Amino acid sequence: GAVVSQHPSRVICKSGTSVKIECRSLDFQATTMFWYRQFPKQSLMLMATSNEGSKATYEQGVEKDKFLINHASLTLSTLTVTSAHPEDSSFYICSAIGVYLGNTIYFGEGSWLTVV
Amino acid sequence: AQSVAQPEDQVNVAEGNPLTVKCTYSVSGNPYLFWYVQYPNRGLQFLLKYITGDNLVKGSYGFEAEFNKSQTSFHLKKPSALVSDSALYFCAVRAETGTASKLTFGTGTRLQVML
Repeated sequence: GAVVSQHPSRVICKSGTSVKIECRSLDFQATTMFWYRQFPKQSLMLMATSNEGSKATYEQGVEKDKFLINHASLTLSTLTVTSAHPEDSSFYICSAIGVYLGNTIYFGEGSWLTVV
Repeated sequence: AQSVAQPEDQVNVAEGNPLTVKCTYSVSGNPYLFWYVQYPNRGLQFLLKYITGDNLVKGSYGFEAEFNKSQTSFHLKKPSALVSDSALYFCAVRAETGTASKLTFGTGTRLQVML
C-alpha cells in the first residue's frame, strides 16, 4: 500500500511554545490530507481537511488559530500546534488520499505530543 | 449524517478459532466501507474495503468482511485467529459522492486473541 510518513513520532514541548508535525506522502501525490486527534482508548476525531494549495476546512469545535494546517505541496501537509497547553497532549494522526489511489485513505504512524 | 457503530468494545477469542468483529453503518447513498487495524502507539493500517462488486471482500493478513446492504452491516471476519491479530480494529464509512468525502470511524473494537 501507499506510504504516509509522519514526523516526529514523539515530541515533548513546554507550555506556551509551538510545535510542528509533518505529514508526507512518500510514493504518491496527496490531493487531500486529513488530520485526526486520538485520545487514549478512544476513536479518531477528525480535526481538519486540507487540500493542496487552499485553506484547510476545520471541523466544528476545532480552533483554527490554534491548530494551523498548511498543505503547501502535493506531498506535504503540516500541523502546527500554537501556544501549546497540557490539554493539547494527544496522539495526532494524519491521513492522505491520492489522485490515482482510488478511494482508499492511507494513514501515517501518528505523532505523540506531550506538553509539559 | 453518516455514522458507524461497533457494538463490542472488546472481543476475546482463542487462537485458532474464527473471529468476528461487528460493524453497522448509516450513510446517504452508496457506502464506501473500510476496516483499519491499529497496534499500540501506531497509526492505522488499511485492511480492506468495500466499494462495489462482490459482497465478500478479502483483505490483508487473512481477514475478510461481508457487506450486507439490507442489514447495513460490514462485519470483519477471519477463519482462524492468531495471537498477533490482537489489536484495535476500526470500521469506517464514507459516502460515495465526492472523492474527498470524510471518513467516519466507529469507536473501535479491541480484539484479544488468547493462547
